[in-house]
Amino acid sequence: NAGVTQTPKFQVLKTGQSMTLQCAQDMNHEYMSWYRQDPGMGLRLIHYSVGAGITDQGEVPNGYNVSRSTTEDFPLRLLSAAPSQTSVYFCASSVWGSLSGNTIYFGEGSWLTVV
Amino acid sequence: TQLLEQSPQFLSIQEGENLTVYCNSSSVFSSLQWYRQEPGEGPVLLVTVVTGGEVKKLKRLTFQFGDARKDSSLHITAAQPGDTGLYLCAGARRTGANNLFFGTGTRLTVIP
Repeated sequence: NAGVTQTPKFQVLKTGQSMTLQCAQDMNHEYMSWYRQDPGMGLRLIHYSVGAGITDQGEVPNGYNVSRSTTEDFPLRLLSAAPSQTSVYFCASSVWGSLSGNTIYFGEGSWLTVV
Repeated sequence: TQLLEQSPQFLSIQEGENLTVYCNSSSVFSSLQWYRQEPGEGPVLLVTVVTGGEVKKLKRLTFQFGDARKDSSLHITAAQPGDTGLYLCAGARRTGANNLFFGTGTRLTVIP
């Protein structure tokens, strides 16, 4: 079972470079999201989507873009990387709706360092 | 500012001891989840509580949602080395919403 797959696992970027973190899920989930995890701060929501063609901002969207052209894929784009974007990024997916009886599945994470 | 505060931030105990992790907020949540995260992996769901005062048990783990749905606790009985990991609470503000606000995390180490 693939679940939620993120690539790349590790990436080093120079300040100002752009890149895309890929996320794919094979569970036909409507809801997908991106979080970043920083020490002492837990996970914070960057962007989310409730279906193909629908995206919205989370807590910390600045510096990131997303699109949802298919149900399966939800890429996260860093337009001009900054050292403050050094973090671990997690993609998640679930059935859209109440969390009761619902499981949000997380990918294994993408470690990004901006120098 | 963090919407959910967890305490303690770090906890190191001997195998067989009991422990409680707290998750507190001034905000009301429609539901609250607890996750466990291993190094190099994403969080994995342990439990979801949705009703104020609700108590759920998962083997040696007991989860409670506060009556006012602003806080929660995780109690582990007779901790084992396999319980070592990062424990995260996460709340949803609206019914039907999947967006989560995560706590700051509690890193538990159980020493054999």
